[in-house]
Amino acid sequence: AQRVTQPEKLLSVFKGAPVELKCNYSYSGSPELFWYVQYSRQRLQLLLRHISRESIKGFTADLNKGETSFHLKKPFAQEEDSAMYYCALSLSGGYNKLIFGAGTRLAVHP
Amino acid sequence: SAVISQKPSRDICQRGTSLTIQCQVDSQVTMMFWYRQQPGQSLTLIATANQGSEATYESGFVIDKFPISRPNLTFSTLTVSNLSPEDSSIYLCSVEDRAAPGANVLTFGAGSRLTVL
Repeated sequence: AQRVTQPEKLLSVFKGAPVELKCNYSYSGSPELFWYVQYSRQRLQLLLRHISRESIKGFTADLNKGETSFHLKKPFAQEEDSAMYYCALSLSGGYNKLIFGAGTRLAVHP
Repeated sequence: SAVISQKPSRDICQRGTSLTIQCQVDSQVTMMFWYRQQPGQSLTLIATANQGSEATYESGFVIDKFPISRPNLTFSTLTVSNLSPEDSSIYLCSVEDRAAPGANVLTFGAGSRLTVL
């Protein structure tokens, strides 16, 4: 069965520290993976997707098919990064159907 | 990105009643998606609403419990019927991000928080 696992409910770091939010997926097909973010009092929005291979707000994520992972990383966390982060998997042929992980709350302290 | 308006933003309902959530998009879209987020849980797709046809429901969700209307290309409603406390959730409407068509990127509404007493 298709599944997205985010093992940490809460990740608490100090400003300037490196951040890694973990995401593992289970899917036998060709995955498309995304990170969505929800800042306080804002809507859920796309942060980045693996197919773009881009860095957004200093965040990067590399798809590792061998480890079935798509961890989100940032070398130096900022207070404004505090938010809820969701990893999501889109199934091949499943037009716009996303399977979300449970989410990780990132808290960046001054 | 599309602008999505959801109403109500929150409501408190008695068990056994029903609640209808409205989703209005500022542009025409082919498909609209309804998600549920139970407390402390992930987002789960309830159904996909296409204009002019019946909604397609995901496993575990049925039309009798979650009837959906899609009268035109900018509007949809989700009704949660015969409410029980287990239906207490945030319900989210979403559409394909028009800035990235075909890329499986979604734009979400602000959500409707339902509490069932």
